[in-house]
Amino acid sequence: DTAVSQTPKYLVTQMGNDKSIKCEQNLGHDTMYWYKQDSKKFLKIMFSYNNKELIINETVPNRFSPKSPDKAHLNLHINSLELGDSAVYFCASSLQGATYNEQFFGPGTRLTVL
Amino acid sequence: KNQVEQSPQSLIILEGKNCTLQCNYTVSPFSNLRWYKQDTGRGPVSLTIMTFSENTKSNGRYTATLDADTKQSSLHITASQLSDSASYICVVSRGGSYIPTFGRGTSLIVHP
Repeated sequence: DTAVSQTPKYLVTQMGNDKSIKCEQNLGHDTMYWYKQDSKKFLKIMFSYNNKELIINETVPNRFSPKSPDKAHLNLHINSLELGDSAVYFCASSLQGATYNEQFFGPGTRLTVL
Repeated sequence: KNQVEQSPQSLIILEGKNCTLQCNYTVSPFSNLRWYKQDTGRGPVSLTIMTFSENTKSNGRYTATLDADTKQSSLHITASQLSDSASYICVVSRGGSYIPTFGRGTSLIVHP
């Protein structure tokens, strides 16, 4: 069983379009995250949700909007896509209060904006 | 400022050789330090975790060390295999924070 899954795995789209990436975890975790990994492989956190509430919102453009319908899902919607949004986006989850708070990552979604 | 610096940025070794990756951090207050392995096209997977009181921890051919006084950690890979080719990311968690600080990773290539 896949612990943290993301769809789609690849996303190619034109500048200006709106797109969504979905994430689901079946680990019973209460906190989920979105990370952006640039071409230099640096993972940068974008958002974190704990029990469906936003607890961290790093400085990202407001074109990016996370949505969490329940604590097992955290989707990422991106409006008016730009060339610089091209990257790999990773979803992760963890259990707050668990010893050492390990984050489990999804397989990533490679977004290419043309 | 809470930072994690890794070296080298990239490393190429021959199969069967050993190697050591370095991680220096300024994150405070320190909670724990993890090494993640990220295979190409996949998400990072945790290899080891170390807390303040631990100075060595092994996971098969991977051995991590931690010197909390100098704020340095290393990941030693013994008898490297082709499957060790990956990016290795050092991640340090701060006490009281949900969000860990990531290093930029070391890209390791193992050649036959």
